[in-house]
Amino acid sequence: DAKTTQPPSMDCAEGRAANLPCNHSTISGNEYVYWYRQIHSQGPQYIIHGLKNNETNEMASLIITEDRKSSTLILPHATLRDTAVYYCIVRGKSGNTPLVFGKGTRLSVIA
Amino acid sequence: KAGVTQTPRYLIKTRGQQVTLSCSPISGHRSVSWYQQTPGQGLQFLFEYFSETQRNKGNFPGRFSGRQFSNSRSEMNVSTLELGDSALYLCASSLGLAGGLQETQYFGPGTRLLVL
Repeated sequence: DAKTTQPPSMDCAEGRAANLPCNHSTISGNEYVYWYRQIHSQGPQYIIHGLKNNETNEMASLIITEDRKSSTLILPHATLRDTAVYYCIVRGKSGNTPLVFGKGTRLSVIA
Repeated sequence: KAGVTQTPRYLIKTRGQQVTLSCSPISGHRSVSWYQQTPGQGLQFLFEYFSETQRNKGNFPGRFSGRQFSNSRSEMNVSTLELGDSALYLCASSLGLAGGLQETQYFGPGTRLLVL
């Protein structure tokens, strides 16, 4: 079973920041937080991952709380092409452990 | 660098038939994982192959099998197809590093299988 809880859906106005929350209260010290997104009927796209420090790349920022029990994915300037299902995944540190997907958050970016 | 490629992209089969799907990983990636996505069960892990060996396996019946070739390309096979096998089958590749380091998986576009 997925170890994360996400809201089923969210809306965001185009050009505004999209903040997608994820609760992972049972995360253990050696587990990472990964974010993927899936645009309709395509393969999931890797976005970002982190352990305990905040992370930023060209797509998004990941903010992890100090107790690591929750995190927020931030898309700084959402566009219509960011409309997708976003998955937050907790994953063990060692090796190539399988990704366990929950239901994710369906983000709709509105013009 | 080219991404993960999967062939065919779409497939229609009838119950009882078998099917083989193919996945070519990103160049230099040695690990290939397979996932099944259905509306009811979501995305579920099938198995992972590394160095031509199955390294990890999900909770699927033996009708689902796979293999990996020396060039890291992988195939998965489903025998005696059932209506419930209709799904999007996704392949993901990763570097396959030794030493237990965290590896990011990169997904292909998937093969959509319809069983009639």
